[in-house]
Amino acid sequence: NAGVTQTPKFRVLKTGQSMTLLCAQDMNHEYMYWYRQDPGMGLRLIHYSVGEGTTAKGEVPDGYNVSRLKKQNFLLGLESAAPSQTSVYFCASSYYPGGVQPQHFGDGTRLSIL
Amino acid sequence: EDKVVQSPLSLVVHEGDTVTLNCSYEVTNFRSLLWYKQEKKAPTFLFMLTSSGIEKKSGRLSSILDKKELSSILNITATQTGDSAIYLCAGWNWTGTASKLTFGTGTRLQVTL
Repeated sequence: NAGVTQTPKFRVLKTGQSMTLLCAQDMNHEYMYWYRQDPGMGLRLIHYSVGEGTTAKGEVPDGYNVSRLKKQNFLLGLESAAPSQTSVYFCASSYYPGGVQPQHFGDGTRLSIL
Repeated sequence: EDKVVQSPLSLVVHEGDTVTLNCSYEVTNFRSLLWYKQEKKAPTFLFMLTSSGIEKKSGRLSSILDKKELSSILNITATQTGDSAIYLCAGWNWTGTASKLTFGTGTRLQVTL
């Protein structure tokens, strides 16, 4: 039962480096989301996608880019990492947002920017 | 801007106690309110509440939504140490073409022996 899989699980970057976080889901879900979780801030939506080839901005999109080239994958990119992007990143997916299906979350990626 | 506020921020109880966690929301195009439990990793889904006044129950956990008061509560009876976690509440903004969850900061529950 894979569900939502995030890679990598941990990463340390230097300021200015770039990297891509991968989210893969095997539930044939239409909607996918990227959140960041910081102490005292809860989960904040970065970007989301309503289907293959589409993306939209969430609450805190600056400094991040995303792509949804395949339905099962949602990539989050940091072009030039900054210490403020140190966080735990969660990916989530849901089958159909208007229905009764909740979002399912991956185990998270802990990212540290030095 | 959508907003979800949870209270208390944290609490410590003894095993066997009953606890009530609170969630209030201001969400445009409100569709549903969701509760998640987060232990060490991924938040896991507990309840989704769409209709006001209808209690959802799962074992010792129950939750109810009050649309008039824009709030929800999560009750846990006969708490166990395994209930120790962060409980997240989220409001679902659904416009028909876009869907977003706004999360509260969570309530950290610690159950002691």
